Amino acid sequence: GAGVSQSPSNKVTEKGKDVELRCDPISGHTALYWYRQSLGQGLEFLIYFQGNSAPDKSGLPSDRFSAERTGGSVSTLTIQRTQQEDSAVYLCASRYRDRGPNTEAFFGQGTRLTVV
Amino acid sequence: RKEVEQDPGPFNVPEGATVAFNCTYSNSASQSFFWYRQDCRKEPKLLMSVYSSGNEDGRFTAQLNRASQYISLLIRDSKLSDSATYLCVVLSNFGNEKLTFGTGTRLTIIP
Repeated sequence: GAGVSQSPSNKVTEKGKDVELRCDPISGHTALYWYRQSLGQGLEFLIYFQGNSAPDKSGLPSDRFSAERTGGSVSTLTIQRTQQEDSAVYLCASRYRDRGPNTEAFFGQGTRLTVV
Repeated sequence: RKEVEQDPGPFNVPEGATVAFNCTYSNSASQSFFWYRQDCRKEPKLLMSVYSSGNEDGRFTAQLNRASQYISLLIRDSKLSDSATYLCVVLSNFGNEKLTFGTGTRLTIIP
């Protein structure tokens, strides 16, 4: 497809389980971002990947959260030992960094995670 | 202090009115600025970039004031379809292009 694809679209998991969320960015986009959005709240930055550079992990809320981006394309966000406060919509975005600072970021439709 | 601050609203505005939002940012080295729109339970989408000289797109006008570190969005002749949350977005200085979002301003246009 032409857009950012995220899977699954919905995930219900039991407290304490691990989950993996996937993001397939737009082909050729060098920058990839993960955000978290709780109900009625703004977007909370989690992590940013740019090409082969070390990712900016400054937004990851705890060591239960990790992410990787293989081959500069698909990214996986992993949450270990999920807690109820992890329930949120996880949004992925990608953009062409190399086309200048004013290039648009495109978002996927998000993964709605519910921890019960 | 948050990196990007917005008045969360809600703003309830009659159809046809003009409404303006402001947003302030803390990093003076920020290089690019955007307004995104987010409809209920949807992903954010770019409304417009904000350029130093100010820019207009139809009924929408964006302004940047680097000295005071704020950006603004003006919507003229508001339509029912303008009802959404408007997100102020700041791109950090070159080298680490982290996109930081404000919490958003919720706008409802009333018939």
